[in-house]
Amino acid sequence: DTGVSQDPRHKITKRGQNVTFRCDPISEHNRLYWYRQTLGQGPEFLTYFQNEAQLEKSRLLSDRFSAERPKGSFSTLEIQRTEQGDSAMYLCASSSQKERNQPQHFGDGTRLSIL
Amino acid sequence: EDQVTQSPEALRLQEGESSSLNCSYTVSGLRGLFWYRQDPGKGPEFLFTLYSAGEEKEKERLKATLTKKESFLHITAPKPEDSATYLCAVQAKAGTALIFGKGTTLSVSS
Repeated sequence: DTGVSQDPRHKITKRGQNVTFRCDPISEHNRLYWYRQTLGQGPEFLTYFQNEAQLEKSRLLSDRFSAERPKGSFSTLEIQRTEQGDSAMYLCASSSQKERNQPQHFGDGTRLSIL
Repeated sequence: EDQVTQSPEALRLQEGESSSLNCSYTVSGLRGLFWYRQDPGKGPEFLFTLYSAGEEKEKERLKATLTKKESFLHITAPKPEDSATYLCAVQAKAGTALIFGKGTTLSVSS
């Protein structure tokens, strides 16, 4: 049973560049979530997909952020014109409607560093 | 506003010294309260879900309990491998997002 997979694990980029992260959820999980975590804080919700539909977006998700899940399987999170404040760990999680207590299972994240 | 507060921020224990971590919450209708463990550089690892006051869950040396205002994670006779950050999160009935506390960083020395 493979868990949630995220790629890349680390990304270093210059301010103003665009970056894209990928998340592969646990197979057959139809729900997918993106969170952001900074040092010393708990994860903060960004957005949520059920199958290919993006159903919820946090106010944290500025217009420089966009997420997609085109075929209801993997998802991408793109940040355009990166800023220093975007430096964080970006976590992906998935869950199944069929699983009784529907816990969200997390990947190991992509750590983004903005120079 | 839905909110989760965890205490203490950090806890140092000797191996075998039992203790408890606290998670206080306010939420507009609780769907579930979740405990996760997070190791450095890793994502949160799911431990327990609690749904209603009075419920208890156990796993090895960990036991989670829930009241209407708070949850406790009891650690019995901890070992060094229990060292990690423990995160508490709530999910409101009206939403899907998990609302996390800042976590408690536990260090267990032998």
